Amino acid sequence: QVQLQQWGAGLLRPSETLSLTCTVFGGSFSSYYWGWIRQTPGKGLEWIGEIHPSGSTNYNPSLKSRVTMSADTSTNQFSLRLTSVTAADRAVYYCARWQHFGGVFDYWGQGALVTVSS
Amino acid sequence: DIQMTQSPSTLSASVGDRVTITCRASQSISSYLAWYQQQPGKAPKLLIYKTSSLESGVPSRFSGSGSATEFTLTISSLQPEDFATYYCQQYTPYSPITFGQGTRLEIK
Repeated sequence: QVQLQQWGAGLLRPSETLSLTCTVFGGSFSSYYWGWIRQTPGKGLEWIGEIHPSGSTNYNPSLKSRVTMSADTSTNQFSLRLTSVTAADRAVYYCARWQHFGGVFDYWGQGALVTVSS
Repeated sequence: DIQMTQSPSTLSASVGDRVTITCRASQSISSYLAWYQQQPGKAPKLLIYKTSSLESGVPSRFSGSGSATEFTLTISSLQPEDFATYYCQQYTPYSPITFGQGTRLEIK
């Protein structure tokens, strides 16, 4: 059974950097892409991007200039950094496993609310 | 980006009803169309992938169909635990993954 557990800072000030990490329990970390999705009341679910532990990444072009993802096979963790946050980045952020065969996110973390306020 | 539009936005139904949710793509997409169910305060849960394949453990009352730009999720006989919000999601290589805006299924 695959489980994803995520954590990171929940309150940021404008212009700060969002940093979230997700730990994967079970399954094969090195065999999949691992992604980040965020959810806001206004824009709904938005794909941020994904990373393979080999280092290959795919980012949403709308966020690409501010996003960096990394992965660590020694700890089965992957991380998201989003720079220069604004109020528009306030959202629940989810980590998830990308199942390329089906073109879906089949396992999800519990979600983390990130608020941006001065 | 490929825009995904769901209808209706809200659907009122009763236990035992058969309901259908539609997802339309702004351009023709492959069969990589998925459906998720989200309960309040929880992460989305995968129900269907590749248009019509049922994820392991998902009840058979859920089914999916469609092609090109129009796809549907059908629940054959609503159960109390099915009242939730449903999202479609498309995957097209070399294009951003996008989701529909959601359909809230509420108890009539």
